[in-house]
Amino acid sequence: SQELEQSPQSLIVQEGKNLTINCTSSKTLYGLYWYKQKYGEGLIFLMMLQKGGEEKSHEKITAKLDEKKQQSSLHITASQPSHAGIYLCGANSGGSNYKLTFGKGTLLTVNP
Amino acid sequence: GAGVSQSPSNKVTEKGKDVELRCDPISGHTALYWYRQRLGQGLEFLIYFQGNSAPDKSGLPSDRFSAERTGESVSTLTIQRTQQEDSAVYLCASSLGTGQNTEAFFGQGTRLTVV
Repeated sequence: SQELEQSPQSLIVQEGKNLTINCTSSKTLYGLYWYKQKYGEGLIFLMMLQKGGEEKSHEKITAKLDEKKQQSSLHITASQPSHAGIYLCGANSGGSNYKLTFGKGTLLTVNP
Repeated sequence: GAGVSQSPSNKVTEKGKDVELRCDPISGHTALYWYRQRLGQGLEFLIYFQGNSAPDKSGLPSDRFSAERTGESVSTLTIQRTQQEDSAVYLCASSLGTGQNTEAFFGQGTRLTVV
């Protein structure tokens, strides 16, 4: 089964700093999703990447899927306290596998 | 409805009791997923529905866990004879269909505490 490993597990940054979160898959990624979760709440969809080399941005968050489609990075520019939360990457394994599996998440703290 | 709705939002139950968790997906979404998230852990896949059939039950931890879905609507996850290790947030998600790259929308989750 596909496994997703996220790094770092947790990250503390000062407001205004840039940061990157990585997601590495044990298998080729056919669809890579980034979600954000606030403590005690559901998941908020951020972005979906499908094609190798694809890059998407939303406000100050940019996500990339590498050419080999086994790794994705999420980059936040000029972080703000509102960016704090748990960032989760999720992926489909392809074929007839519709199962969406997730990494363990990266806990981001942004200090004002 | 506007989003995926789960109830109750919080549930405290005594060990050995049965519990039912409910999920109302977004109207028109044929696919429905249940996940479990233990404290400090990622999301653990439990079961997937396409319509009212469950092609993949592989994630259900034991025979104490079961789920059903009525048509393309409400789903209930039932845990019998609850144990303390069942304590977790149970998240439900729905999506438009079986397309691999279809966004899944999540509910707020049910926080289950077994005492």
